[in-house]
Amino acid sequence: NAGVTQTPKFRVLKTGQSMTLLCAQDMNHEYMYWYRQDPGMGLRLIHYSVGEGTTAKGEVPDGYNVSRLKKQNFLLGLESAAPSQTSVYFCASSALRGSYEQYFGPGTRLTVT
Amino acid sequence: EDQVTQSPEALRLQEGESSSLNCSYTVSGLRGLFWYRQDPGKGPEFLFTLYSAGEEKEKERLKATLTKKESFLHITAPKPEDSATYLCAVQASTGANSKLTFGKGITLSVRP
Repeated sequence: NAGVTQTPKFRVLKTGQSMTLLCAQDMNHEYMYWYRQDPGMGLRLIHYSVGEGTTAKGEVPDGYNVSRLKKQNFLLGLESAAPSQTSVYFCASSALRGSYEQYFGPGTRLTVT
Repeated sequence: EDQVTQSPEALRLQEGESSSLNCSYTVSGLRGLFWYRQDPGKGPEFLFTLYSAGEEKEKERLKATLTKKESFLHITAPKPEDSATYLCAVQASTGANSKLTFGKGITLSVRP
């Protein structure tokens, strides 16, 4: 049981390039989330999904897109990367019912130059 | 708008010196308050969920308590391995999507 996994772990992009971050969970959770964490800002929600085929905007969605074609996977895309998107990105998942705690992946450190 | 404020921003303790971390919150109806631990370079690790004022939960040297306006994470006789950033988050009872609002975290350093 791997929990929540993220690929890649590190990435360096040039301004204007695109990339996709992959999140996978093996806990059969309905909810999945993408956060970014910046120094002094805490964790901020980018997008989230309440089930396969659904997505919704979080607190800081501009410049990102997401897709959830399979229940276990949640993809975060950057179509045209900007230096302001330099951050550490975390994926999380939680169950539909129960205690609602979220389980986090190990993170992806992205640098945009 | 839901808000979470954690204090102090950083705390340095001597091994064995007990202390408390504070999490103040405002939320439109509390469904749950969550504590996480985050080690450098890793994702947050779930510690506790508290649901109602007066509730307490313990895990080893950690004890979390909850009132209607704040939560405390008490650390008893800390060890160097307790050094980490501790995050507090709240979930509102309104809405069905289980979104969490996080505080900025408290960085705890425990010296041997």
